[in-house]
Amino acid sequence: GAGVSQTPSNKVTEKGKYVELRCDPISGHTALYWYRQSLGQGPEFLIYFQGTGAADDSGLPNDRFFAVRPEGSVSTLKIQRTERGDSAVYLCASSLGSGPDEQFFGPGTRLTVL
Amino acid sequence: GENVEQHPSTLSVQEGDSAVIKCTYSDSASNYFPWYKQELGKGPQLIIDIRSNVGEKKDQRIAVTLNKTAKHFSLHITETQPEDSAVYFCAASRNNDMRFGAGTRLTVKP
Repeated sequence: GAGVSQTPSNKVTEKGKYVELRCDPISGHTALYWYRQSLGQGPEFLIYFQGTGAADDSGLPNDRFFAVRPEGSVSTLKIQRTERGDSAVYLCASSLGSGPDEQFFGPGTRLTVL
Repeated sequence: GENVEQHPSTLSVQEGDSAVIKCTYSDSASNYFPWYKQELGKGPQLIIDIRSNVGEKKDQRIAVTLNKTAKHFSLHITETQPEDSAVYFCAASRNNDMRFGAGTRLTVKP
């Protein structure tokens, strides 16, 4: 079946603008994760959804970042008033169950804030 | 929170040699330790994982060892091939808050 997909693959925006990044998880996966990966670094945990609810949002850096998963499938990461420091690859992953298990990653969205 | 350190940051080996990457973690409650391979422009892909009730796991040319007392775990790749060249990440998790190391860029020279 299809893997995790993310759109857009690339997003260029100007400082101060609002952006939305979309993630389509693997069908049937109840857990969904967002990570941020800066150049030369490992993925940095942002938020984890179990179903429709954000079970852990401790990784969101500040209140400009917000994520939703209204129907327990597709998720959108929203960034308000973007800053140049937000430039990174945003990765989405999904897994089957609620415990720590293999996470399947999408290809990421490369966000560039000018 | 959990802190994962990984080394070396770069590793170059000759085809056919072995490669070893090491990680340490700080949270003794972590119980799941995956290793991911990431190729350029792609998301990380799981290559092997180990849980805290096991000390060693092997899958063909890849093995992982876990020392819970010392809080470190290692990835071993034997008979390396050029297609093993990539960035490898270790991670540690106790619930679903997975924390990754900074990565090791492995280059296998033919």
